[in-house]
Amino acid sequence: NAGVTQTPKFQVLKTGQSMTLQCAQDMNHNSMYWYRQDPGMGLRLIYYSASEGTTDKGEVPNGYNVSRLNKREFSLRLESAAPSQTSVYFCASSEVERGAALQETQYFGPGTRLLVL
Amino acid sequence: QKEVEQNSGPLSVPEGAIASLNCTYSDRVSQSFFWYRQYSGKSPELIMSIYSNGDKEDGRFTAQLNKASQYVSLLIRDSQPSDSATYLCAVNGRNYGQNFVFGPGTRLSVLP
Repeated sequence: NAGVTQTPKFQVLKTGQSMTLQCAQDMNHNSMYWYRQDPGMGLRLIYYSASEGTTDKGEVPNGYNVSRLNKREFSLRLESAAPSQTSVYFCASSEVERGAALQETQYFGPGTRLLVL
Repeated sequence: QKEVEQNSGPLSVPEGAIASLNCTYSDRVSQSFFWYRQYSGKSPELIMSIYSNGDKEDGRFTAQLNKASQYVSLLIRDSQPSDSATYLCAVNGRNYGQNFVFGPGTRLSVLP
């Protein structure tokens, strides 16, 4: 049980190049997320997918696209990278437990460090 | 837009002391509250979740929630140098179509 995996771990791009960050989870979770983390800014939501076949914008979606390929995989694409997209990108997944209280816990992947020159 | 606020720190405590980390949130409909620990260069890992007013204890960690004051805290008893990390507070109100919102984190340093 690997949890949430991300590839690549590190990437250097030149301005204008494109790339896709891959994320997969083996916990059978319905919801998946992409965050970016910048110094002093905490985690900011880029896109999320509540279930297979659905995606929604988060707080900072500009410059990114996503694909929920199947229940396991959620990819993030940078079509034309900019220096402002230099960041650490985390993928996460979660499952909602509907009991006496609505409970949902996110589990994070190891992250992708992206440098755009 | 929900906001989650934390003191950025660093918060320095001596080994064996109690570390107290605080978090306030602006959206009253938030229902779930989480504390994550993040070591430098690593991903966040869940320490505690709390959904009801009051205290919740798990080992050396106690989470406290006061929804009326929109305040959640994390106490770490008998702090160890291995507790030195950044602690992220997160809130969630999925019933209302909202997602997780994270605070900027508080950096804790436990001095030997």
